[in-house]
Amino acid sequence: GAGVSQSPSNKVTEKGKDVELRCDPISGHTALYWYRQSLGQGLEFLIYFQGNSAPDKSGLPSDRFSAERTGGSVSTLTIQRTQQEDSAVYLCASSFTIDTEAFFGQGTRLTVV
Amino acid sequence: KQEVTQIPAALSVPEGENLVLNCSFTDSAIYNLQWFRQDPGKGLTSLLLIQSSQREQTSGRLNASLDKSSGRSTLYIAASQPGDSATYLCAVGLLNGNKLVFGAGTILRVKS
Repeated sequence: GAGVSQSPSNKVTEKGKDVELRCDPISGHTALYWYRQSLGQGLEFLIYFQGNSAPDKSGLPSDRFSAERTGGSVSTLTIQRTQQEDSAVYLCASSFTIDTEAFFGQGTRLTVV
Repeated sequence: KQEVTQIPAALSVPEGENLVLNCSFTDSAIYNLQWFRQDPGKGLTSLLLIQSSQREQTSGRLNASLDKSSGRSTLYIAASQPGDSATYLCAVGLLNGNKLVFGAGTILRVKS
C-alpha cells in the first residue's frame, strides 16, 4: 500500500480480554514504531523495531504489553488482560531508516469497558 | 532525558495571518526534527523533516527552521487558511535512543 495501514480502526473490548492490534508499514521501511496517545495526552513511545535487531521495548508500560514484527514487515501489538487505563489511540509509524522521515498510520482507537 | 516543549499550547488567528509555532528541546544530540499535523480523530501527517545538519526546510506555505545549538525550531505558516486548523506536533529523533520524542502540540484554529 501507499501508506502505513493499521487495523482495526476501532476496537471495543471488555476488561480482562486480550487484544491484538496490527500494523502494515510502508514496503521497504526497516524501522517501525508503536506509540500510544491517551485522551488529551501527548504521544507515548512504546516499542521500536529496526530490521533484524532486537527491539527496543523500553517504553512498554507493563508486562501485559508485547509486540512482534514478523519477516521485517507486519507488526502486531498485543495487550493481555486489558484494563480501562489501556483505553487510548495506538499509533504505528514506519521509516526507511531510523534517521529518515517517519510516516504514521491512522491509529487504532481502543476502548476498554 | 530529552524534553520537548511547544509554545503556545493553543493559538487562534484570523484567516490570512502569518504565524509562528515554536518548539524547543533540551538535548542537542539529535539526528533530525520533524513537524507533523494531526486532525481530530486522525493519525499524524508529516509536514517537514529537518536533518540535524540543515537549517531550514520549505514546503509550500510552510517553512521550518532548526537551530540545534540553542535547541529550537520554528514552524512558519504563511497566509493561514481555515484548513490549516489542526494540532501541530514537533518531534526530535534521538542520537542515543531508538525513538522520536514528541512535544505536547500546539492547537491552531484559523477563523474565516
